[in-house]
Amino acid sequence: EDKVVQSPLSLVVHEGDTVTLNCSYEVTNFRSLLWYKQEKKAPTFLFMLTSSGIEKKSGRLSSILDKKELFSILNITATQTGDSAVYLCAGLAGSARQLTFGSGTQLTVLP
Amino acid sequence: DGGITQSPKYLFRKEGQNVTLSCEQNLNHDAMYWYRQDPGQGLRLIYYSQIVNDFQKGDIAEGYSVSREKKESFPLTVTSAQKNPTAFYLCASRTTPDQPQHFGDGTRLSIL
Repeated sequence: EDKVVQSPLSLVVHEGDTVTLNCSYEVTNFRSLLWYKQEKKAPTFLFMLTSSGIEKKSGRLSSILDKKELFSILNITATQTGDSAVYLCAGLAGSARQLTFGSGTQLTVLP
Repeated sequence: DGGITQSPKYLFRKEGQNVTLSCEQNLNHDAMYWYRQDPGQGLRLIYYSQIVNDFQKGDIAEGYSVSREKKESFPLTVTSAQKNPTAFYLCASRTTPDQPQHFGDGTRLSIL
């Protein structure tokens, strides 16, 4: 059975802090690892990582994949209150490209 | 604007009643997916469809049914056989197989 585990489950920081969110996966026929941000409603797409060791960046967010150790991290630098959300990672696999999601990390950024 | 529209935003079900959640997309996406999210948990796959008139069960299909008669529409019926239907339901779609899925705003279903 495919499995994706995220840690920590929740995290409280102050504005300006840097955070690292972790995601480990065991996914058969693995293709890619995806990160989403969810604020109450629809998850919004952040990153899709297919190759190992290549960092993807978008503003203050960055992510990298290690296919040998089967994990990914999402870094957020200089956090802002608007970064408060649940961050989900998911493994993409199979001919139908199904996503297996982790349970998420609840990030709270205090002013 | 292109996007994925789910309706209604909130839905209440009585005991023994079937209810249908709507998902429409105007992105010309081939594949569509239904997920269920329970509080504090990730998303679990209910059903998915890669082409019109074809769909497959996901990990938690029992008590649910779907149809895919048109490319842009993928409605989900929560039947009375689903004993614990209270959850947040999300619909997603994607273009080619290695592109990310994008999500609608979801429907919250509760039991009266």
